[in-house]
Amino acid sequence: EPEVTQTPSHQVTQMGQEVILRCVPISNHLYFYWYRQILGQKVEFLVSFYNNEISEKSEIFDDQFSVERPDGSNFTLKIRSTKLEDSAMYFCASSSQGLAGDTQYFGPGTRLTVL
Amino acid sequence: AQRVTQPEKLLSVFKGAPVELKCNYSYSGSPELFWYVQYSRQRLQLLLRHISRESIKGFTADLNKGETSFHLKKPFAQEEDSAMYYCALSLRGGSQGNLIFGKGTKLSVKP
Repeated sequence: EPEVTQTPSHQVTQMGQEVILRCVPISNHLYFYWYRQILGQKVEFLVSFYNNEISEKSEIFDDQFSVERPDGSNFTLKIRSTKLEDSAMYFCASSSQGLAGDTQYFGPGTRLTVL
Repeated sequence: AQRVTQPEKLLSVFKGAPVELKCNYSYSGSPELFWYVQYSRQRLQLLLRHISRESIKGFTADLNKGETSFHLKKPFAQEEDSAMYYCALSLRGGSQGNLIFGKGTKLSVKP
């Protein structure tokens, strides 16, 4: 069964450094998402992406964040200048239709630790 | 603002006992509701969604619009049901179906 994959599984970085988190969505899916979960808190929506454009973004997704689909398979989340409070699990998800009732398939997550 | 509330952080039951994980939502429109589960060291995966009206692994959930609830139930809990359970909401009419999650309930089923 196809799965969403994410790399790396764990990323440690210094405050102020740039990080790129990578995701490979399920191959025939067209809608892509990033969520994050700070330790002990709820999973929060960051951004959705379709047809090479951001569809929606939350208040968390400020100018420090960007997303890109650089080729036909990868979907990346870039944090330009990391802060301590960016430490969290970051989940990528994809869905085939992007509708409200559509199932989103999640990757295993990348644990980002900012020191 | 839309919100999902799971009042219990931890629910501990014995094997064979009934289990109910509570979920309440606030949204004035017609929501789409989901239960996602995360077993130890595994990814978030869909357990069930209200639109399907199905039973998965013995779990059911009924949308009660009057009480704005979508509680997850199973009549006889099994040890392998131990996991984190997240209730989630997406908004009909939303262009991308972004999910709004509750904080999750950790279910522990003891032998």
